[in-house]
Amino acid sequence: EVQLVESGGGLVQPGGSLRLSCAASGLTFSNFYMSWGRQAPGKGLEWVAKVNQDGSEKYYVDSVKGRFTISRDNAKKSLYLQLNSLRGDDTAVYYCARDGYNYALDVWGQGTTVIVSS
Amino acid sequence: QSALTQPASVSGSPGQSITISCTGSSSDVGGYDYVSWYQQHPGKVPKLLIHDVTNRPSGVSDRFFGSKSGNTASLTISGLQAEDEADYYCSSYSSGTTNVVFGGGTRVAVL
Repeated sequence: EVQLVESGGGLVQPGGSLRLSCAASGLTFSNFYMSWGRQAPGKGLEWVAKVNQDGSEKYYVDSVKGRFTISRDNAKKSLYLQLNSLRGDDTAVYYCARDGYNYALDVWGQGTTVIVSS
Repeated sequence: QSALTQPASVSGSPGQSITISCTGSSSDVGGYDYVSWYQQHPGKVPKLLIHDVTNRPSGVSDRFFGSKSGNTASLTISGLQAEDEADYYCSSYSSGTTNVVFGGGTRVAVL
């Protein structure tokens, strides 16, 4: 069974940092683009970042460029998202997801919650 | 404000068909056949229903049908069932500064 498990969320003050992790199992991790998406409380889905199979290409939504960094470790079958200079509007459930098709996310983790508040 | 525009809500009676629209631009929906649709029940993880405009992943009911005309994509749900009550999101590849864009979501109610 393909499974993605996120961790690393929590409560952080504005301006602070967090590192999210996503552990993959049941798939050939290195074969796929991987993405992070998020959903603010009561709001819709938002794509956040994407990384290609070997980590050499990275893409971000405009609102996180320069603050968030996506990375991966294929040997550990893990995806990461470094969140810096956090703001209140970054408060959301963050999902790790597999790009199984063309720009479509076919496997999602359960999510990890990030709350930015003083 | 979302890059793709969806109606806030759509409703129908059991057995009916409903259609959810997703309007973008030539930089996303209209320019590429990379439109996807997701279903999300309250408190649950999103589920991919449609990819590449019309394709259903294995296991997705054939009651879900995707299409596109110009800058607008559509998701049609036929034979509406109570279990179809959920939020539905479209997304697309974008040649703009953001690689992938989502719609704001549509709440489907089964009356």
